[in-house]
Amino acid sequence: ETGVTQTPRHLVMGMTNKKSLKCEQHLGHNAMYWYKQSAKKPLELMFVYNFKEQTENNSVPSRFSPECPNSSHLFLHLHTLQPEDSALYLCASSQESGTGNNEQFFGPGTRLTVL
Amino acid sequence: GESVGLHLPTLSVQEGDNSIINCAYSNSASDYFIWYKQESGKGPQFIIDIRSNMDKRQGQRVTVLLNKTVKHLSLQIAATQPGDSAVYFCAENPSGTYKYIFGTGTRLKVLA
Repeated sequence: ETGVTQTPRHLVMGMTNKKSLKCEQHLGHNAMYWYKQSAKKPLELMFVYNFKEQTENNSVPSRFSPECPNSSHLFLHLHTLQPEDSALYLCASSQESGTGNNEQFFGPGTRLTVL
Repeated sequence: GESVGLHLPTLSVQEGDNSIINCAYSNSASDYFIWYKQESGKGPQFIIDIRSNMDKRQGQRVTVLLNKTVKHLSLQIAATQPGDSAVYFCAENPSGTYKYIFGTGTRLKVLA
């Protein structure tokens, strides 16, 4: 266990559905991240939160909406997704994100399938 | 553009042999590198890291080598075990940024 949990582990949704992914870290970290992992592609950074403030939106479509109510919790709200959004969504946390050189701890991911 | 890539997509190794997984990076400003292991159904797991002021770092059964001249990173696993079967990928962190650039990964298969 890395100290980062994600729920649900698997999610199947239609293109008109609205769902949310949840991430929680028990490490006392201040930075949290959402990544998308598609087959045969490198990890793609989506969002970064540092001390609850969003510091990075890596040109992610608005159908993905992050929320970070506190340093321990991170959500990814999904609506009107497309089949090409099917992927493994990984959450990570690190001590802080300001200066890099911080090991990121990953959760197990949510396997999302959009029908 | 920036890229981190792996030379071999799949590596098959006999149990007990040593494994070497390679990674090329393109950003000469990167000063911190991490190797991750990802098993099926799990998130990436930190294996070992190295900073650019070093050219070698050893852990338990693993060694990371950094050659800044040719922008090359390698992960050596000694006495490879079945539990080492996974996808391995490297990540680089350009100096002064919090972003990590990840490679696509190499699948290591350990043959009994």
